[in-house]
Formats: sequence, structure tokens, C-alpha cells
Amino acid sequence: EAQVTQNPRYLITVTGKKLTVTCSQNMNHEYMSWYRQDPGLGLRQIYYSMNVEVTDKGDVPEGYKVSRKEKRNFPLILESPSPNQTSLYFCASKDLETQYFGPGTRLLVL
Amino acid sequence: AQRVTQPEKLLSVFKGAPVELKCNYSYSGSPELFWYVQYSRQRLQLLLRHISRESIKGFTADLNKGETSFHLKKPFAQEEDSAMYYCALSKKNTDKLIFGTGTRLQVFP
Repeated sequence: EAQVTQNPRYLITVTGKKLTVTCSQNMNHEYMSWYRQDPGLGLRQIYYSMNVEVTDKGDVPEGYKVSRKEKRNFPLILESPSPNQTSLYFCASKDLETQYFGPGTRLLVL
Repeated sequence: AQRVTQPEKLLSVFKGAPVELKCNYSYSGSPELFWYVQYSRQRLQLLLRHISRESIKGFTADLNKGETSFHLKKPFAQEEDSAMYYCALSKKNTDKLIFGTGTRLQVFP
């Protein structure tokens, strides 16, 4: 089944403890992206990647890192999480026309 | 600057009533417009795109370049339409999506 997967789905952590949220797609898409979803703000793009080893900042990249070492994976890294990064995170990949979203990762930073 | 505005945070209607979820955009050029839907506890999924001029689950949306709008309409709402709806814009031939803040549609029996 063609899909985008994320892990973990839920995560509670403390300020400053590095974490990684994984994202994987099995559709051989070149474009992948990370969004955060917050009430009243909708979805905002954090980082995106046009292809392997090609990444760029979205609208809200501060406090995040990404890497794209292989086409199928696009992990989101929080080196030193802070409470304002508590949010719902979505990974997406895109073919020629459509973005496909992962199930979301709900993160709580205490 | 590119922007998508959804003025209503919440829209509540009764089953069988017509629904219109508003979306306005600002973009200098020819945008591509989309509606995405997120049902409770599910992932975001594409509902429809303006270039397809299609009707999905009874929903339609017409791009009005004069009013820079892309409102989503359905003549008779169903309870299963209750969800969060996001309007999104993409520059032609690019991959980036710019989302509105979303409208929660509640359809009461």
C-alpha cells in the first residue's frame, strides 16, 4: 500500500532532550516536507526537500533540522526541544500533482 | 506575498442544509488551489483541486480569479462531512503548499 509513515505517533519529552521523528514513504517521491499544525494557525511548513541531499527551510524552520540521505526517508530532528515546539507534526511527500500526508506525530515538550 | 485566508474558524449547519466554506487567496500569478480535509483522528487528505473541476463527495469549488476566491460548496450537508477543511495554494509548477488556517465544519443531525 502506498503511504507515508511517521514514528512515533505520540511523544512526551522534556526541554532540551534531543529527539528525532522519522518519516518514510514508499512511493518513490522526490519531494518531501514537514509541517506543524497548531490551533488557529493551520499548517505551516518547517522544512522541505526536493531530492536526496537537497533540503531547504520552510516558513518556520527555527529549532528544527532535517536530513535526506535517501529518497524514502526524511527525519525531523529537534536538537534541543522547547515547550513552544509542542504541536502536531505532519510529514508529506508529493508526486506530480498531489501531496500525501502521514498520520501525524503529536509532540508534547514539558 | 502569497496568502490563503479562511475567515471562518467554525461553521455549524444541520444535516441537509447547504454549506459554503470560504477561501480567499492573494497571489500575483496563476495559482493552483486545493481543498484538503482532515476527519477526526485521520490524516490530511486531498479533497479536490481546481484544475480538475471535479466533484468529490458532493463538494465542488470554483476558482474565481476576479474575487480571488475558491469557496467550497455542497448543496446538502451530511453528518459524515464533519471535519476540518483546509484551503491551500501552490505556485504553478512548484511543490510548496501554503495553507489557510482551516475551518471546522460541524453537521448536526
